[in-house]
Amino acid sequence: DAGVTQSPTHLIKTRGQQVTLRCSPKSGHDTVSWYQQALGQGPQFIFQYYEEEERQRGNFPDRFSGHQFPNYSSELNVNALLLGDSALYLCASSGVNTGELFFGEGSRLTVL
Amino acid sequence: QQQVKQSPQSLIVQKGGISIINCAYENTAFDYFPWYQQFPGKGPALLIAIRPDVSEKKEGRFTISFNKSAKQFSLHIMDSQPGDSATYFCAASLQNTGGFKTIFGAGTRLFVKA
Repeated sequence: DAGVTQSPTHLIKTRGQQVTLRCSPKSGHDTVSWYQQALGQGPQFIFQYYEEEERQRGNFPDRFSGHQFPNYSSELNVNALLLGDSALYLCASSGVNTGELFFGEGSRLTVL
Repeated sequence: QQQVKQSPQSLIVQKGGISIINCAYENTAFDYFPWYQQFPGKGPALLIAIRPDVSEKKEGRFTISFNKSAKQFSLHIMDSQPGDSATYFCAASLQNTGGFKTIFGAGTRLFVKA
């Protein structure tokens, strides 16, 4: 049973560029949440997708957007990258009525 | 309202000792309180969780104590082992029509000395 998979694992971008991160949820899960984890900090909630719609959103600007596909996989897009966007981006999946999150290993984004 | 405050930032414990990590929350709408464990290079993984109608939950060496009136909860790791060395995050979740929204504390880096 595959867990949550994320790609790419590492990437380097320059300021002003755009990035797309991808996530495949754990089998049987239909809800995907995205988190940003800065070095030495706790994960910060970006948004959550269910039934291909953004259901909840944290305190992140509109530069952060996402999508969920019919197979429940998801993308996180960040436009106009800033140096401060450098972080580990974690995807977590869950069943819609459960609080337990299953995390992937993350995509580490470095913005130069 | 949405914050979860965690302490200490770091903790060093002797092998066999008790590790205690504390968290406090503000929003009384939170209804699920999980603890996650994260090893370097890995995503967080659920360790143990509690709902606010229970004051204590124990799973093996891990115990959550929950004080609803004080809006505080804590993780106790008994007989701490070097393999427990990791970063621990408390979290608080609330369920609405969109599902569960989980807010994490800043984390506690635990080092267990052999």
